Amino acid sequence: AQRVTQPEKLLSVFKGAPVELKCNYSYSGSPELFWYVQYSRQRLQLLLRHISRESIKGFTADLNKGETSFHLKKPFAQEEDSAMYYCGANAGGTSYGKLTFGQGTILTVHP
Amino acid sequence: DGGITQSPKYLFRKEGQNVTLSCEQNLNHDAMYWYRQDPGQGLRLIYYSQIVNDFQKGDIAEGYSVSREKKESFPLTVTSAQKNPTAFYLCASSIGVGAGELFFGEGSRLTVL
Repeated sequence: AQRVTQPEKLLSVFKGAPVELKCNYSYSGSPELFWYVQYSRQRLQLLLRHISRESIKGFTADLNKGETSFHLKKPFAQEEDSAMYYCGANAGGTSYGKLTFGQGTILTVHP
Repeated sequence: DGGITQSPKYLFRKEGQNVTLSCEQNLNHDAMYWYRQDPGQGLRLIYYSQIVNDFQKGDIAEGYSVSREKKESFPLTVTSAQKNPTAFYLCASSIGVGAGELFFGEGSRLTVL
């Protein structure tokens, strides 16, 4: 079944430490992968997409087709990075347009 | 102010009652989505619509119904058949089919008493 999995519900790091939020997917073909973030009292919003290959707020994510992963990384975490992060995928083929998400990871960056 | 507007923000209903959640967008987006957000289960897709008068079931459509009579509106009805309706519901839209960026509403919290 097509699925996005985020194995960590909670992740805690200290300010300045590297952080990696894991995301694995099980899709046939070439899905579009992305990360969304929800800061406290704000709407869920797009952080980055794999097709754009850009770095947003110091975060990067590389699509690894061999491992079917799309982990989100930042070399030096900041307190303002504390939020809920969702990895998601846009399936291809007959399910094109069906956007599904993983279970989410709550990141807490301690001072 | 452009964007996605969901109403009501909070809603209480008795068991056995249907309830309709409103979602309106003025972004001229073709695609609209309904998600359910539960602690520990993340965002689960209920229904999505890629164009007016057309919609598809998501992963947890049972007990829900939708309509898409107008481009800007995508109401969700939580029926009495939904066994565990208490949840936070999020509506979203995107510019078109397969367009990755979703724009989300602020959500509606439904509590069944």
